[in-house]
Amino acid sequence: GAGVSQSPSNKVTEKGKDVELRCDPISGHTALYWYRQSLGQGLEFLIYFQGNSAPDKSGLPSDRFSAERTGGSVSTLTIQRTQQEDSAVYLCASSIGQGKNEQFFGPGTRLTVL
Amino acid sequence: GQSLEQPSEVTAVEGAIVQINCTYQTSGFYGLSWYQQHDGGAPTFLSYNALDGLEETGRFSSFLSRSDSYGYLLLQELQMKDSASYFCAADTGRRALTFGSGTRLQVQP
Repeated sequence: GAGVSQSPSNKVTEKGKDVELRCDPISGHTALYWYRQSLGQGLEFLIYFQGNSAPDKSGLPSDRFSAERTGGSVSTLTIQRTQQEDSAVYLCASSIGQGKNEQFFGPGTRLTVL
Repeated sequence: GQSLEQPSEVTAVEGAIVQINCTYQTSGFYGLSWYQQHDGGAPTFLSYNALDGLEETGRFSSFLSRSDSYGYLLLQELQMKDSASYFCAADTGRRALTFGSGTRLQVQP
């Protein structure tokens, strides 16, 4: 079956512009995560969705960041008024449940803010 | 707070055995996962330890000691394709995993 897909694979934008990043999780996976990874660094948790529960937004670095998950499937991460420090790879993952359950990662979106 | 410590880089030769350590300080702990990430690729799951002891999966094994807040990933019969970054990640019950900063493994011929 298909894995986690993300689009676009690369995004170059100018400082101050808004961007939208998309994630299509594996069908049937109720949990969806967004992480951010700067070059040579670890994964920084951003936001987590589980079924119809309220999302865990505790990792969002500022109010410029928001995310939605429509119909329990596709998710969109929006960054408003982008800054240069937002440049990173944004990774989406999905899993059947939470915690110990294996997370399946997408290929990521490389965001460059000029 | 939550923190996981790993060495930043490890170098080993083909055919050798290498151990990547991970110590953690978390409020709440349910288990430790390991992920592999090749340059430019997505992280892929390797193992999960919820109980103390060694879990073996082919050439890779993972160990956990909850009393020492410590775990390690053991890679045997190293191959060039094992060159990658390896991340430990704690399941703290917060729903999302908390990742370490990663260990870059270089396998030399």
